[in-house]
Amino acid sequence: QQQVKQSPQSLIVQKGGISIINCAYENTAFDYFPWYQQFPGKGPALLIAIRPDVSEKKEGRFTISFNKSAKQFSLHIMDSQPGDSATYFCAASRSRFNAGKSTFGDGTTLTVKP
Amino acid sequence: EAQVTQNPRYLITVTGKKLTVTCSQNMNHEYMSWYRQDPGLGLRQIYYSMNVEVTDKGDVPEGYKVSRKEKRNFPLILESPSPNQTSLYFCASSRDRASEKLFFGSGTQLSVL
Repeated sequence: QQQVKQSPQSLIVQKGGISIINCAYENTAFDYFPWYQQFPGKGPALLIAIRPDVSEKKEGRFTISFNKSAKQFSLHIMDSQPGDSATYFCAASRSRFNAGKSTFGDGTTLTVKP
Repeated sequence: EAQVTQNPRYLITVTGKKLTVTCSQNMNHEYMSWYRQDPGLGLRQIYYSMNVEVTDKGDVPEGYKVSRKEKRNFPLILESPSPNQTSLYFCASSRDRASEKLFFGSGTQLSVL
């Protein structure tokens, strides 16, 4: 049973556009929701994360929107750039117990066309 | 430079031939973990370690072994590799079990023929 479902699997966006990746989770005990960015040949790197006590977190062009009642969260990349082309993973964990034991989504391959 | 180093980057082997993938971190992190990444399945945790000599199974531990004799090293051992273990493997570490930030290595692409 997959606990974190991510969509879409792939996404193509024009430079300057908005990229939106969605995730839905099932376990209401999750209390930490990070997004990771992975470039080809590299390991995932933490991009931005949110806790359920806020509905939105913004860092530069990257924003997480969180809907606790719907058990959904999404990553928005404003003014998308070709350098943002990467695979993005959402994750969820019960951070008080084992942050490393995150449940990951399947990943979204983002291509930003110049 | 703070980093997690995995070796080798690429490995091709045959069924049944024991192999070890090494992982080392230079950040004095207590927590280390191994994941495998497969198309459509995301990252799945294989084993993790809270500290030296403390290891535990993740979600997909079958066919793997680990050891944590030193804080900086966390090797992944495949005693008798099988083709279904062909995958991209990542090692990761964090300051401690409560730390939220994971640092990942660059990955090891393993092919078992």
